[in-house]
Amino acid sequence: GAVVSQHPSWVICKSGTSVKIECRSLDFQATTMFWYRQFPKQSLMLMATSNEGSKATYEQGVEKDKFLINHASLTLSTLTVTSAHPEDSSFYICSAPTSGKRETQYFGPGTRLLVL
Amino acid sequence: QKEVEQDPGPLSVPEGAIVSLNCTYSNSAFQYFMWYRQYSRKGPELLMYTYSSGNKEDGRFTAQVDKSSKYISLFIRDSQPSDSATYLCAMAKNAGNMLTFGGGTRLMVKP
Repeated sequence: GAVVSQHPSWVICKSGTSVKIECRSLDFQATTMFWYRQFPKQSLMLMATSNEGSKATYEQGVEKDKFLINHASLTLSTLTVTSAHPEDSSFYICSAPTSGKRETQYFGPGTRLLVL
Repeated sequence: QKEVEQDPGPLSVPEGAIVSLNCTYSNSAFQYFMWYRQYSRKGPELLMYTYSSGNKEDGRFTAQVDKSSKYISLFIRDSQPSDSATYLCAMAKNAGNMLTFGGGTRLMVKP
């Protein structure tokens, strides 16, 4: 299947700092990528849809000024958690549909964020 | 009421058992149905993908979709300890659209 990578795989930061998470599609181009967060023992919650060349679309209740998304190229989307707080600690996962089968999405390995 | 319901488990079975995982949904607009497997602290991995109603088989895995009942299933034959993971069903209305996930079922296969 298609490969999606994320970097870093985990990060620990102090409260108030900003953290950038990268999502890359390694062997295909993705005009759209999705960002999810997942709390322990819970399912994935869609945060936003990242669109190459245009603004991201945020789900209801997700602060766009706090979770900045930039879809810089057809293979890279970044999520920046600004002024992180302990309640932002979570597992962040991105996904991308391949152009051949847009109805399926391939997920990155996830980034575990711990804010102290 | 959630759009997609899935029993959270945990479901514990002995090695070699047949496992049945299920999801129900309320929105008849869903046309694409997926099953993902997620190991602890890892991203979900696409297992099966089905469009509309019917069965699909891949090795030890069989996915079934019954749109009339709004019910989908994943069967795992000859279950192995390595199958122990959380299984997430997911659905989409249109190609490339965002997925709506079930809550996930945690499966434990004991040797």
